[in-house]
Amino acid sequence: DGGITQSPKYLFRKEGQNVTLSCEQNLNHDAMYWYRQDPGQGLRLIYYSQIVNDFQKGDIAEGYSVSREKKESFPLTVTSAQKNPTAFYLCASSSRGRLGYTFGSGTRLTVV
Amino acid sequence: DQQVKQNSPSLSVQEGRISILNCDYTNSMFDYFLWYKKYPAEGPTFLISISSIKDKNEDGRFTVFLNKSAKHLSLHIVPSQPGDSAVYFCAASVGDSYGGSQGNLIFGKGTKLSVKP
Repeated sequence: DGGITQSPKYLFRKEGQNVTLSCEQNLNHDAMYWYRQDPGQGLRLIYYSQIVNDFQKGDIAEGYSVSREKKESFPLTVTSAQKNPTAFYLCASSSRGRLGYTFGSGTRLTVV
Repeated sequence: DQQVKQNSPSLSVQEGRISILNCDYTNSMFDYFLWYKKYPAEGPTFLISISSIKDKNEDGRFTVFLNKSAKHLSLHIVPSQPGDSAVYFCAASVGDSYGGSQGNLIFGKGTKLSVKP
């Protein structure tokens, strides 16, 4: 079955540590996205990539980094520079000519 | 400044009644609109969409209405069921020549729907 997989489901991080969230898709989608959800804030775009080896900052990119070395993979690193990293992170993908995104099931990151 | 606004953070309706979720947008270039449904700790799932060349799209119990002059769309759920309880996100995009979205989807903040038995 084609889909988009985020791992892990739950992640705990100590303050000052970097952590990487995984996102893999086998839908052959060109574009991939990372969103963050906080209560009352909706979905806010962190980074997106329309093609391999290229990515752009979204609305709240500070404290985050990404890479797109393969079409299938778009990992997100939450760095120690992110002031408030505790949130629910969603990865999505889309394809040219098709409406909308396919979302992963999300990763809940908690800083302890 | 929000380009897509869902002004009601929450909505509560009785089972069997109609649920109406509203969404307003400011960018007149938007011509594709989508509704997503999200359960807690899960990713959003696509529900229904509408192109700006239409003013209504129906799929079973779900109907989306688009009023371009008012830059307003609404999602109607009839009849509402307890399983419909979720957060609903409105999203908008500019279309491309391939029939899809030219750019990124812009999401509203969501409306939490509670359907009571």
